[in-house]
Amino acid sequence: NAGVTQTPKFRVLKTGQSMTLLCAQDMNHEYMYWYRQDPGMGLRLIHYSVGEGTTAKGEVPDGYNVSRLKKQNFLLGLESAAPSQTSVYFCASRRLNYNEQFFGPGTRLTVL
Amino acid sequence: AQSVAQPEDQVNVAEGNPLTVKCTYSVSGNPYLFWYVQYPNRGLQFLLKYITGDNLVKGSYGFEAEFNKSQTSFHLKKPSALVSDSALYFCAVRDGGSARQLTFGSGTQLTVLP
Repeated sequence: NAGVTQTPKFRVLKTGQSMTLLCAQDMNHEYMYWYRQDPGMGLRLIHYSVGEGTTAKGEVPDGYNVSRLKKQNFLLGLESAAPSQTSVYFCASRRLNYNEQFFGPGTRLTVL
Repeated sequence: AQSVAQPEDQVNVAEGNPLTVKCTYSVSGNPYLFWYVQYPNRGLQFLLKYITGDNLVKGSYGFEAEFNKSQTSFHLKKPSALVSDSALYFCAVRDGGSARQLTFGSGTQLTVLP
């Protein structure tokens, strides 16, 4: 099993550009999460999904959109990137009725 | 709202010595507490959790954590540190909702010196 994978690993954008980050999991988990990690601030939840076709806002959702058209994939979109969105983005998944979240390796995004 | 505090940004310890990484929490209701570890350029890995039961929880790689309800603390410990334990450690608390969202502390960088 690959676990949780993220594409791409690195990306540099110019202000105003758009992009989509892909998260895929092969563990048949129901729940999926997108976090951003910034120095000294830990991980903050952007959006999450409790199942295929459903999404919900987390702590810092502004400037991001998500979609979960397939159970195994959770996409994070930036419609118009801003320098404040420079961060490391982590995806995680969790099985129904279990507490442990499994994390992907992260995507390092720089917005110039 | 729930919150987690990790009062130390950096902890240094000599190899072979015991280590402690501190965490305090604030939550309404019963606490569900977690420790995760992050190695350089990697995602977070689960170490251990406290849901209920014994106050001393044992986890992966020889780590354990002590839950103290009166002090609202959940400190991570290891009797004998290894250089390979050097990493970033996060404490987290889970909310009571069905989504079981985690709120993370700011992280503590542990460096074990040879």
